[in-house]
Amino acid sequence: SQELEQSPQSLIVQEGKNLTINCTSSKTLYGLYWYKQKYGEGLIFLMMLQKGGEEKSHEKITAKLDEKKQQSSLHITASQPSHAGIYLCGADFQGSQGNLIFGKGTKLSVKP
Amino acid sequence: EADIYQTPRYLVIGTGKKITLECSQTMGHDKMYWYQQDPGMELHLIHYSYGVNSTEKGDLSSESTVSRIRTEHFPLTLESARPSHTSQYLCASSAGRAQHFGDGTRLSIL
Repeated sequence: SQELEQSPQSLIVQEGKNLTINCTSSKTLYGLYWYKQKYGEGLIFLMMLQKGGEEKSHEKITAKLDEKKQQSSLHITASQPSHAGIYLCGADFQGSQGNLIFGKGTKLSVKP
Repeated sequence: EADIYQTPRYLVIGTGKKITLECSQTMGHDKMYWYQQDPGMELHLIHYSYGVNSTEKGDLSSESTVSRIRTEHFPLTLESARPSHTSQYLCASSAGRAQHFGDGTRLSIL
């Protein structure tokens, strides 16, 4: 079965520091999606990556997909308290009819 | 910002009651989804729909049922709630591949 592993499970950083979250698939994925979730709330769509080697940025968040399309990283530059939350990666695969599977998430805390 | 609404946000109710969780979207998206999420765990797809009169079961077996009579509306029903149904339920919709989520319903069955 397809699985997505996220690392680390949790992360505490000082405000202003950079950080990276990883998402690894056991199989080649079709698309990779990054979401942010605040505790007890819904998911906010951040970015979608489709092509091997693709990189996208939004404000201080950059996401990359490796050439083999099995690993993605989410990098936050100069973290702020507003970046705190749970970051989830989701992926679809060939034949999955667009349905996503999700990783367990990375809980990010940013200390002022 | 996606326009997808879930009600209620929180529900605490006794065992054996019939429950309907509402989900509506104003974007005209054909595809809609229901996920279940326990604290610290990943989302699991329980139902999805390709459009009106289409409903499919997801990867996680669920005792809930869904209906899709109108494009914008995708309610989830539990005929007889049990404590094992306690969880967060998230609704999503999509036009293309990226899914957009509501704020969720946190359900507690006593």
